[in-house]
Amino acid sequence: AQSVSQHNHHVILSEAASLELGCNYSYGGTVNLFWYVQYPGQHLQLLLKYFSGDPLVKGIKGFEAEFIKSKFSFNLRKPSVQWSDTAEYFCAVSGSGGSYIPTFGRGTSLIVHP
Amino acid sequence: DAGVIQSPRHEVTEMGQEVTLRCKPISGHDYLFWYRQTMMRGLELLIYFNNNVPIDDSGMPEDRFSAKMPNASFSTLKIQPSEPRDSAVYFCASSLYGQGIMFFGPGTRLTVL
Repeated sequence: AQSVSQHNHHVILSEAASLELGCNYSYGGTVNLFWYVQYPGQHLQLLLKYFSGDPLVKGIKGFEAEFIKSKFSFNLRKPSVQWSDTAEYFCAVSGSGGSYIPTFGRGTSLIVHP
Repeated sequence: DAGVIQSPRHEVTEMGQEVTLRCKPISGHDYLFWYRQTMMRGLELLIYFNNNVPIDDSGMPEDRFSAKMPNASFSTLKIQPSEPRDSAVYFCASSLYGQGIMFFGPGTRLTVL
């Protein structure tokens, strides 16, 4: 069975600080990887995804994530956060064939102080 | 497309009452998911459907919970009888097989008093 671990449950940063949120997964096959974001009071929406190709994936709002297969990791990064990035961030993994249903991590709550 | 539509957005009810949550997936999507989100347990998958057929309901917490999808454009999640511990935000999501991308609805915030 696949699983996702997000190490940081709560992160507090000041504006302009750099961000890295950890995500490790467990799955015995080829994977698709996702980061979703949930802004306060809103629904989850896709931030970025990795299916294949370049392991460095760029998403919306300046976010990027790097797939490191040897480490089973898909960490999310942003060089300079803004107050508007305050949100909950979820990492998710699914099999690229067969077990297509994604498994979500517990989420990381990010608070950015202005 | 209007996206995934859920109703009601907020529901406050008393313990023991029946609650019905509704979802309209994105047209053409063949997967529909029901999730529950709480502070304690995070995002939990309750059940999902493929082409209107329930595939996996192992996440449904108890027999008090039931879900149906009578057609490709409508699904319900029913709790009968409701209990205070059912208080949570319930999300519906839909997806198109092969894309692997979930589209979530705005959620229903349920409060059981």
